[in-house]
Order: sequence, then C-alpha cells, then structure tokens
Amino acid sequence: GAGVSQSPSNKVTEKGKDVELRCDPISGHTALYWYRQRLGQGLEFLIYFQGNSAPDKSGLPSDRFSAERTGESVSTLTIQRTQQEDSAVYLCASSGQGGKTEAFFGQGTRLTVV
Amino acid sequence: RKEVEQDPGPFNVPEGATVAFNCTYSNSASQSFFWYRQDCRKEPKLLMSVYSSGNEDGRFTAQLNRASQYISLLIRDSKLSDSATYLCVVTIRAAGNKLTFGGGTRVLVKP
Repeated sequence: GAGVSQSPSNKVTEKGKDVELRCDPISGHTALYWYRQRLGQGLEFLIYFQGNSAPDKSGLPSDRFSAERTGESVSTLTIQRTQQEDSAVYLCASSGQGGKTEAFFGQGTRLTVV
Repeated sequence: RKEVEQDPGPFNVPEGATVAFNCTYSNSASQSFFWYRQDCRKEPKLLMSVYSSGNEDGRFTAQLNRASQYISLLIRDSKLSDSATYLCVVTIRAAGNKLTFGGGTRVLVKP
C-alpha cells in the first residue's frame, strides 16, 4: 500500500493478557517509530528503528513492552501482561532516512484493557 | 527541560483572524524541523517542513530562528477547519536524526 498500515485498528483485551500490534511501514522507509498517545495527551515516544542500527528503546515504559523489526519491513510491538494504564492509541510512523525526510503515520491501534 | 516545548493553548481565534505561535528547542544541533497537524482522535499529519529561509504554503507561514532556537507557525485568514493541535517536530543528529515531538499547541477557530 501507499501509506503506513497498522493492525488491528482496535483491540480490546483483558488485563493480564499479552497483545501484539503490527506496523507495515511505507516501502523503502528505513526509519520506523512507535508512539503511545493516551486520551487527551501528547505523543509519548516508545522506540525508534533506523536501518541496521541498534534500536533506540529509551522510551519503552517497562520491560513488559518490546518491539521488533526485521530489516526494513514489518514491526511488531508486544505488550505483555497488559494493565489498564496501557489503554491508549499506539501510533507507528516511518520515514525515508531517519529524519532527513518527513515521517508518515499510520492510523493507529486503539488498545483498551478491561 | 523538555527538548521541544510548545505553549499548549488553547488559542481561541476568530474566524478570519491571524494566529501565530512558537516552539522552542533546546539542542542547538537540531537539524530538521517540521510542523504537523493532529485532529481529534486522528493520527498526526505533516503540515509543512520548515526551512532556514522560512517558507510559506498558502495561508501558512513557517519560520526558523536558529540563533534563538525556535520555530514559528503563522496562520492567516483562519478557517473553522484549521481547528486542531499543531505539533512541532525536531530531529537531532546526535540522536540518529530521531524525530522529537513537542506537546502540541491547540488552536480553536470560532465563528
């Protein structure tokens, strides 16, 4: 597709369950970002992948959060043992060369932990 | 101190008026600058890049002041559809050109 694609668009899960969120970046984009946005709040940086460099994981809030990316393709964000405070929209963005070009966002995954 | 700071607003703007707001960044090595727009419950979308000489796109004008480390966005002839949160974005070479977002400035255009 032409844009960043995220799935699922909505996810409701029970507290304590694991969830996996997927991001398909724009083809050829070397950089990929995950952000979290709670209702009424700003964007919270989670993790940044840039080509073959080690990912910048400085934004991951706890060891329950992890993300992987294979090459310059799909990325998955995994949240283990979900808590109610994990409820938020998780946004993925990709860019051409790590900030040298603008980034484009997917529509996000709205996660609700009940 | 946050790397990128914005006045959260809201800026209440009469339709047809001009509104301007700034964004300050702390790292003098910042390389690229952007303004994004985010509508309620939607993803951020690129509004415009900000170039050193300043640039204009229709009713929107962006300026960069490297000496004072801020960028600005001016909206002329405001439309109701301009109501949104405007996000300032900076990339820092030392951080691998990672995008760093400000908290956003909310603009409400009223009839």
